[in-house]
Amino acid sequence: DGGITQSPKYLFRKEGQNVTLSCEQNLNHDAMYWYRQDPGQGLRLIYYSQIVNDFQKGDIAEGYSVSREKKESFPLTVTSAQKNPTAFYLCASSIGAGGNQPQHFGDGTRLSIL
Amino acid sequence: AQSVTQLGSHVSVSEGALVLLRCNYSSSVPPYLFWYVQYPNQGLQLLLKYTSAATLVKGINGFEAEFKKSETSFHLTKPSAHMSDAAEYFCAVSGGSNYKLTFGKGTLLTVNP
Repeated sequence: DGGITQSPKYLFRKEGQNVTLSCEQNLNHDAMYWYRQDPGQGLRLIYYSQIVNDFQKGDIAEGYSVSREKKESFPLTVTSAQKNPTAFYLCASSIGAGGNQPQHFGDGTRLSIL
Repeated sequence: AQSVTQLGSHVSVSEGALVLLRCNYSSSVPPYLFWYVQYPNQGLQLLLKYTSAATLVKGINGFEAEFKKSETSFHLTKPSAHMSDAAEYFCAVSGGSNYKLTFGKGTLLTVNP
């Protein structure tokens, strides 16, 4: 079955450490997204990518970085500059980046600070 | 600019009762509207979408929503709640060719036996 795979499901970060969250999709979608979810705040967009080798900052990009070297993969790095990284991170994809295209979501990665 | 307001962060209903989850939006262009459901520790699953065709949209699991332009609303309903409907529900809006999906803060639905 096609879908979006996020790994790991749980991740722990030490102070001053960078960590990378994996997101892979086999839906042949062009656009991919990273969201951060905090309790009671809905989802906030971190980065998005419409095509390979191109990505744009979302609303809360500070302290995060991404790459899009392959259509199927869109990893997110949470850097030590992100002072409050504890959250649930969701990766999504859509066929294109038009507003009428629904986004499909992975099952998320929960990041905690040790 | 676009925004979504979900009225009520927590809604509690009895099994078999009507479910009504409220969503109001603002958008400077004709909107596309979506409802998603999230079960604990999982991603979001698309329930239904409005993309300027019929104003009454039917989705999965017996849910439906009606687009009312005059009221800028897109409320989600289900005639009879089931225990398995207990989850968090998110309304989202986008517009035109704008990729950006703006989410509401979510409504947690509790279903009591």
